[in-house]
Amino acid sequence: DQQVKQNSPSLSVQEGRISILNCDYTNSMFDYFLWYKKYPAEGPTFLISISSIKDKNEDGRFTVFLNKSAKHLSLHIVPSQPGDSAVYFCAATGTSYDKVIFGPGTSLSVIP
Amino acid sequence: GAGVSQSPRYKVAKRGQDVALRCDPISGHVSLFWYQQALGQGPEFLTYFQNEAQLDKSGLPSDRFFAERPEGSVSTLKIQRTQQEDSAVYLCASSLGPPNTGELFFGEGSRLTVL
Repeated sequence: DQQVKQNSPSLSVQEGRISILNCDYTNSMFDYFLWYKKYPAEGPTFLISISSIKDKNEDGRFTVFLNKSAKHLSLHIVPSQPGDSAVYFCAATGTSYDKVIFGPGTSLSVIP
Repeated sequence: GAGVSQSPRYKVAKRGQDVALRCDPISGHVSLFWYQQALGQGPEFLTYFQNEAQLDKSGLPSDRFFAERPEGSVSTLKIQRTQQEDSAVYLCASSLGPPNTGELFFGEGSRLTVL
């Protein structure tokens, strides 16, 4: 039973355009949501997070949107750059929940 | 060290062998996590330590898997009598927490191949 879902295994975007990566979750106990980025042969690195009390968090080119009623979040990257090509993992946890649960990942390719 | 260090980076084991994977977390990080990542999938939670206490081991797939962190810093994940389905990348992560906000610092992983 996957608690964090990323239904698009891959996404291809032209350089300079917007990349939108989607994530759905099922566990109502989650109150922190995160995006991690992973390059080949490296461990995942934290990118951006959002608390459940917010609906948007922005950090430079990266914005995460949270829709609690729909149990859905998305990561927007604008403008997309070739260096953004990586696997992006959506993750979730809670203050009363010790685990961090990861989705299966979306592989983003930004084409120059 | 500056980051989370894992060793060995690559390990090839014959089925039935025991293996030990080491994780050296960031100094001062209270929380330590082990994850298993199969090819093409996301990291799957194995176990969680807060200092030397193993607070959650619900993700360990069988009793062949054992983890310890005896002095609250370095951790070892041991897999006994390895099977082919144990082939995966084993990721270690640490964080300052609790409270847990999910911001983990990962090592590069140990890739285990069981023949």
